[in-house]
Parts: sequence; C-alpha cells; structure tokens
Amino acid sequence: GAGVSQSPSNKVTEKGKDVELRCDPISGHTALYWYRQSLGQGLEFLIYFQGNSAPDKSGLPSDRFSAERTGGSVSTLTIQRTQQEDSAVYLCASSPSGRGPNSYNEQFFGPGTRLTVL
Amino acid sequence: LAKTTQPISMDSYEGQEVNITCSHNNIATNDYITWYQQFPSQGPRFIIQGYKTKVTNEVASLFIPADRKSSTLSLPRVSLSDTAVYYCLVGDARSSYKLIFGSGTRLLVRP
Repeated sequence: GAGVSQSPSNKVTEKGKDVELRCDPISGHTALYWYRQSLGQGLEFLIYFQGNSAPDKSGLPSDRFSAERTGGSVSTLTIQRTQQEDSAVYLCASSPSGRGPNSYNEQFFGPGTRLTVL
Repeated sequence: LAKTTQPISMDSYEGQEVNITCSHNNIATNDYITWYQQFPSQGPRFIIQGYKTKVTNEVASLFIPADRKSSTLSLPRVSLSDTAVYYCLVGDARSSYKLIFGSGTRLLVRP
C-alpha cells in the first residue's frame, strides 16, 4: 500500500516568502506528526495532530509557523516570511493511533521536504 | 527541562552485538519508548517499541528498567548495512501532545 507522501520533495525560496508543505498520511491513520531536521542534526518535534486537532502548538518554532489538518487526512505546514534558519528537511509521519496509555503507535515517515531559504 | 541523551557515535565490527543507551529523565508515564533507524536522505524507520522490561523482535531487543528513565537498544550480530543513525523517541511528560527525539547515535559498522 501507499506510504506517507510529502510534497514538494525540494523547495527553494527567497527569504521573506511564504511556503506551504504538504503531507499525505497513510489512509486511516488518525495521528499525524511534523518534525524538522536541520543539516546533520537530530529530529525536532513540531506538532502532533489527533484527527484534525492539534491541542498543543507550542512545539512550533515561532508564530511564523502554522499547521492544519483537514478531513482527518492531508496536513499542511505553512511557514510565513521564511528566514534562512528555516532551511531544513521537514518530515511528516503518521500512525494508526495517537498517544496515550497502551498506545502502540509506530510512526511511518515520509521522505521529507528539503527546504532551502536563500 | 525534558531531555533525552544518547552517545554521539559508536563503532563496531560485523558480527558483534551493539548496545545503545538513551537516557530520558522526564518521560511521560503512559507512553511507549520507541527506537528508530535513519539512513542518509531517508525518513526514520521503526525498529522496536516497548513500555517496560524487555521486548524482542526479529531485528532487535529493547531493555527498559523499572524507573523507565533510560532504555537500551540491543542489535545482535550487526552487519555493514546496520551503519546508520539510531534515535530513541519518548513522550514528553510536560505535555500529552509532545514528543522528544533523542539526539541520535551514529553507528559505524566496520568489516
């Protein structure tokens, strides 16, 4: 079956422009996650959706970042007024269920979107 | 401050057992501990998940002490293809909706 897909695979933009990154999770997965990975660095958690709801948005790096999920499926991560420090690979993952007691929630990752801000 | 700590790198030889430990001092009480493997230019891939004691699957074992403040991933008889970065992932005790990835351990397996 189809895995998690992300688009675009690469995005080059100029400082100050807005960008929108898309994630298509595995069908039926209720949980969706966004992460950021800077070059040669580890993974930074950004936000978690359970269905269409993201109860805690404090992991987003700044108020220039926003994310939404519609129909319990596709999610978009929007970065406004991009800065050079936003350059990174943005990874999306989905899992059959979310967090919580006895929640076996293996995450399936997409290939990522490499964002370069000039 | 919620934090996870892993050794930055480890070297091993083919056929040896490798143990990678992650310290997670502020883990959420109800969440599983998960380990992922990542190759260059790819998203992480699930290896194993556990809540406490010991879990074993076809590729690895996971040891978790009673206090759950650390976990150890054990890879038996590594091969060259196990060269990758390994991450632990835990729930953040500060929020039911946040996760923390470890800093990652770069494993190099030599012939």
